[in-house]
Amino acid sequence: AQRVTQPEKLLSVFKGAPVELKCNYSYSGSPELFWYVQYSRQRLQLLLRHISRESIKGFTADLNKGETSFHLKKPFAQEEDSAMYYCASGGEYGNKLVFGAGTILRVKS
Amino acid sequence: NAGVTQTPKFQVLKTGQSMTLQCAQDMNHEYMSWYRQDPGMGLRLIHYSVGAGITDQGEVPNGYNVSRSTTEDFPLRLLSAAPSQTSVYFCASSLGAQGILGELFFGEGSRLTVL
Repeated sequence: AQRVTQPEKLLSVFKGAPVELKCNYSYSGSPELFWYVQYSRQRLQLLLRHISRESIKGFTADLNKGETSFHLKKPFAQEEDSAMYYCASGGEYGNKLVFGAGTILRVKS
Repeated sequence: NAGVTQTPKFQVLKTGQSMTLQCAQDMNHEYMSWYRQDPGMGLRLIHYSVGAGITDQGEVPNGYNVSRSTTEDFPLRLLSAAPSQTSVYFCASSLGAQGILGELFFGEGSRLTVL
């Protein structure tokens, strides 16, 4: 079955430090990969998708097919980045988007 | 703009009771879906629909029914609630029938407790 693994439940960093949220997927084909974010008291929302190759709020994510990874990175964390981050993958099951368990990012001042 | 609206926001049920979680969107989206969010398990797809009259099962469909009689509405029915269905439920919609290729817009969530 298609799986998305986010190994860290909680990642705590200091403001200004680099951030890397890990995501690995199991789909052997060409996946559609996304990062969604849920800020406190806000709705879950799309942060970025691999197909658009954008940088959103300073975050980037590169698809590494060899390692089946789609890690989310930001060079300098800000306090407002504190949120729950979900990696999601589609492709194997048509319209079914599979989410990882999520990683809570806490940026300390 | 309302976007995706879910009701109720909170609900407490007794085991065996039935209820319907309502979801409506005003963006003329073809794709709608229901997820449940549980600690340590992320979001799991319950059911989804690619258009009016069309529904299909997700990862965890047992115990839930859905229907899609209009483009706007996608209710989720619990016929006989069980404590294992205690969760936060999210409705999400997307413009195209290929929902995963587009941006999913989420509702605020409905917190359900089954005693």
